[in-house]
Amino acid sequence: EVQLLESGGGLVQPGGSLRLSCTASEFTFSNYAMTWVRQAPGKGLEWVSAISGRSDNIYYGDSVKGRFRISRDNSKNTLYLQMNSLRAEDTAVYYCAKVRSNFLTDAFDIWGQGTMVTVSS
Amino acid sequence: SYVLTQPPSVSVAPGKTARITCGGNDVGDKSVHWYQQRPGQAPVLVIYYDSGRPSGIPERFSGSNSGNTATLTIYRVEAGDEADYYCQVWDSDSDHLVFGGGTLLTVL
Repeated sequence: EVQLLESGGGLVQPGGSLRLSCTASEFTFSNYAMTWVRQAPGKGLEWVSAISGRSDNIYYGDSVKGRFRISRDNSKNTLYLQMNSLRAEDTAVYYCAKVRSNFLTDAFDIWGQGTMVTVSS
Repeated sequence: SYVLTQPPSVSVAPGKTARITCGGNDVGDKSVHWYQQRPGQAPVLVIYYDSGRPSGIPERFSGSNSGNTATLTIYRVEAGDEADYYCQVWDSDSDHLVFGGGTLLTVL
């Protein structure tokens, strides 16, 4: 079964760092773009970042640009999100999602279950 | 930055038709995708590229996109369709992905 499994969430103090991982299974990981989407408690979906299959195209949402870094290791079928200078407003469930193709105009057909990040002192 | 506008809520009786709109400047020139999110669950893709339907999604789900409005139509609504629905596009002018604010579908 095609699956995504996030890990790495938790409680972190403001200004701290955290690295999320998303491990993929049962599809050729390198053929697909991937993305991170977050959802603050009780709020809607917010796009965080996206990366093409070979990491040659990377994009960030305005609220995280300069603080977060997306990367992938195709040999390990794993997507990462390095989050630095964390703020209270970064508190959210973070989802990784697979794009249907390597084109970021395409839809997200597979989502992970999400990992909670809480930024608080 | 590009903005997608959805009504906060839509209510419909079982067996009737629900229409959820997604407004944006010339959104008809973009490809719109729709996601369903039930409480406590991850989103699920229900419509891609305006009107495509993934395998496993009932034919009751339909999409259209023209001018400044994209629409998700759910025919013969069932209690299990009660969820939040989000539209999404890729804005090539800003190289940003954009979600609408979401619409809560309530089945009366």
